Amino acid sequence: RKEVEQDPGPFNVPEGATVAFNCTYSNSASQSFFWYRQDCRKEPKLLMSVYSSGNEDGRFTAQLNRASQYISLLIRDSKLSDSATYLCVVEEDDSWGKFQFGAGTQVVVTP
Amino acid sequence: NAGVMQNPRHLVRRRGQEARLRCSPMKGHSHVYWYRQLPEEGLKFMVYLQKENIIDESGMPKERFSAEFPKEGPSILRIQQVVRGDSAAYFCASSPEDVWGGYGYTFGSGTRLTVV
Repeated sequence: RKEVEQDPGPFNVPEGATVAFNCTYSNSASQSFFWYRQDCRKEPKLLMSVYSSGNEDGRFTAQLNRASQYISLLIRDSKLSDSATYLCVVEEDDSWGKFQFGAGTQVVVTP
Repeated sequence: NAGVMQNPRHLVRRRGQEARLRCSPMKGHSHVYWYRQLPEEGLKFMVYLQKENIIDESGMPKERFSAEFPKEGPSILRIQQVVRGDSAAYFCASSPEDVWGGYGYTFGSGTRLTVV
């Protein structure tokens, strides 16, 4: 079983619609969680951290469910520029910033 | 205020040659991390270095791969006797000395290694 699992998609989303997807992780001791965005195999860029209480950044909302060991990302009012691969990232070890990356969920926003 | 700089952006090597990938961290950053991304896969941790020290190399293949981060100059990821399976994107990230993983870190634009 992979340590971080994501639905690869693609999620085809009409412009203006809402899309949501999850990521499951296996290490119950993980403390830090992130969503990164990657465009066309370029470098991953930090989209947002995921806090226990859930957090929102504009049209993006991230949630953490520790009991079921998953995090989610919701994108409202999708823009064409939101088309990308979204990487779920789980910090493996508390002692330093070692990350486990999911393989990514592809989102394609269509006009 | 340059970000994490990696070079070359693209590198082509014949099987059996050596590949040297360079990473200059952001100014003021003394921690460097190397990740590898194979086609259609997620990023895999390779090695974590601080100046003149390898902190965690648990993701490095046992043979042919080595990394260093000297007191002066960039971090180097070296792959000896490359094989086709080494073809991948290699990303470097850096963080300041006093920041641990809770804040995430910044990646360079990567080096795409193609072994022919």
